[in-house]
Amino acid sequence: GQNIDQPTEMTATEGAIVQINCTYQTSGFNGLFWYQQHAGEAPTFLSYNVLDGLEEKGRFSSFLSRSKGYSYLLLKELQMKDSASYLCAVRDPGATDSWGKLQFGAGTQVVVTP
Amino acid sequence: DTEVTQTPKHLVMGMTNKKSLKCEQHMGHRAMYWYKQKAKKPPELMFVYSYEKLSINESVPSRFSPECPNSSLLNLHLHALQPEDSALYLCASSQVGQFYGYTFGSGTRLTVV
Repeated sequence: GQNIDQPTEMTATEGAIVQINCTYQTSGFNGLFWYQQHAGEAPTFLSYNVLDGLEEKGRFSSFLSRSKGYSYLLLKELQMKDSASYLCAVRDPGATDSWGKLQFGAGTQVVVTP
Repeated sequence: DTEVTQTPKHLVMGMTNKKSLKCEQHMGHRAMYWYKQKAKKPPELMFVYSYEKLSINESVPSRFSPECPNSSLLNLHLHALQPEDSALYLCASSQVGQFYGYTFGSGTRLTVV
């Protein structure tokens, strides 16, 4: 199984930068995903890391260190619409059809203030 | 078409009712999933279908019965549910393989009374 930890809540002001950390403990690893979820809505895919390093997509960047079991999601130039829950998810290689089993962390609620 | 469509969006059912949730995608994805999400909690995996065959059942009670009639459709049949089963039920799909993320539907908000 997986143990995936991320902070419960973070608050930042519009235009600022926020970094959401995620640590995981697992016997194996097949990739890490970040999703954004607004209240009452479905999660939407933000990024995917399987190799160490930084992946940049516009205002969002995601970093992975497999040796440390650590990832972060960096949100730059925060906008009010970025207020949402951000879910870290790790692909679990332990199941028979391991490619298909995505395990989610509890999510980090980001609150953007004016 | 890059969407996963779930119906209905909201459902209220009694504990003796039988109802079904429906999920449809036309992206050619051959893996489909049901997740359950309670308020302020992460989505919890219930079932995985791969090439229309059930590949993972996360020890879900038998009052939840999944069905995948073809590569585009996924159903979740509900019978004799309990109030604690009230939650957001999310359907997702993906390409088969470890490098692909999921596309989620907007969910069905289920209330059991």
